[in-house]
Amino acid sequence: AQSVTQLDSHVSVSEGTPVLLRCNYSSSYSPSLFWYVQHPNKGLQLLLKYTSAATLVKGINGFEAEFKKSETSFHLTKPSAHMSDAAEYFCVVSDRGYKYIFGTGTRLKVLA
Amino acid sequence: DTGVSQDPRHKITKRGQNVTFRCDPISEHNRLYWYRQTLGQGPEFLTYFQNEAQLEKSRLLSDRFSAERPKGSFSTLEIQRTEQGDSAMYLCASSPHTGELFFGEGSRLTVL
Repeated sequence: AQSVTQLDSHVSVSEGTPVLLRCNYSSSYSPSLFWYVQHPNKGLQLLLKYTSAATLVKGINGFEAEFKKSETSFHLTKPSAHMSDAAEYFCVVSDRGYKYIFGTGTRLKVLA
Repeated sequence: DTGVSQDPRHKITKRGQNVTFRCDPISEHNRLYWYRQTLGQGPEFLTYFQNEAQLEKSRLLSDRFSAERPKGSFSTLEIQRTEQGDSAMYLCASSPHTGELFFGEGSRLTVL
């Protein structure tokens, strides 16, 4: 069975400092992995996806994530946080092509 | 704009009433999903369509819930005899064969 664990429910960083949001997954197959961002009262927007090509995936707005099979991790990073990055972030795993399991989310706060 | 659209964006109803939400997916996407999201939680899978066929339903989807996708185009989600526990954001997403989910802005239901 597939599952995903977001290790931090809340992360606070200062503007201009690096962001690290952690995600571990469990999958019986070769998974596809995604990160989505959700701003208040909005739908979810795709940041990036991994589908067994390059292990370092670049996404929108300067975010990237690295797939590490040995650690079953797919952490999201950004070198320099911006105030507009404050939002809820969801890690998602899919290993059967149509079923997607969402993590419980990490709320990112960016301090001025 | 050719994104996923949902209607209505907000619905306030009294307990016991029926409500219906509509989702218009991106036209070339043959997969359509409904999710439910409550405050502070990640989206939970409700149901999935491939074209007009409803291929999977979550156990969360009690017999008060029904979803349709006539002709494989728009979809409706109906909740009969609403209960206060049905209050949530109902999210629709469509997906192309490449596997990304594209979400609408959601329909927020408040049951009084």
